[in-house]
Amino acid sequence: AQSVTQLGSHVSVSEGALVLLRCNYSSSVPPYLFWYVQYPNQGLQLLLKYTSAATLVKGINGFEAEFKKSETSFHLTKPSAHMSDAAEYFCAVTPRGPDGNQFYFGTGTSLTVIP
Amino acid sequence: EAGVTQFPSHSVIEKGQTVTLRCDPISGHDNLYWYRRVMGKEIKFLLHFVKESKQDESGMPNNRFLAERTGGTYSTLKVQPAELEDSGVYFCASSQDRMDGETQYFGPGTRLLVL
Repeated sequence: AQSVTQLGSHVSVSEGALVLLRCNYSSSVPPYLFWYVQYPNQGLQLLLKYTSAATLVKGINGFEAEFKKSETSFHLTKPSAHMSDAAEYFCAVTPRGPDGNQFYFGTGTSLTVIP
Repeated sequence: EAGVTQFPSHSVIEKGQTVTLRCDPISGHDNLYWYRRVMGKEIKFLLHFVKESKQDESGMPNNRFLAERTGGTYSTLKVQPAELEDSGVYFCASSQDRMDGETQYFGPGTRLLVL
């Protein structure tokens, strides 16, 4: 079974600082990879996803993530944090092929942005 | 276009009672998924409908949980009788196709507390 590891359940950054949220997956065959964000009292919103094109994926709100097969990682970054980025972030994967429907999630990372 | 909606947003019940959660997917989406997040843990897959048929219910924890999707539109998830460990956030998601890497669109979740 797939597993997803998000290092750091809570991350704090200063406004304007780099945001780095880590995600590692376990499968030997690279899955499809997603980052979702959940703002308070809202649903999970897709930030970006990796299918198999460019390894650097750009998403909404200035976020991007880089797929690194050698490190089985898909870390999320943003050059300059805004107060509005405070939310919970989830990394998710789904396997390639006929079994690839259910998503496997990490435990989430809560991002705090300090003024 | 309306997103995935879930009702109720919150539910507090006593152990042994019955609760029914409802999910309305995005119009035209044949695929509907239920997930659950127990506090502090990852979001976990419960089951997947394609139209009105259960495609995969491997994540359903036990026979106290019953999911239906009559007519292939909205879905209900009934817990009867509820136990303390059923507390958590129940998410519904939908997708249009079953293509590889298809994005799932999530609702805001129902927060269930069993006392």
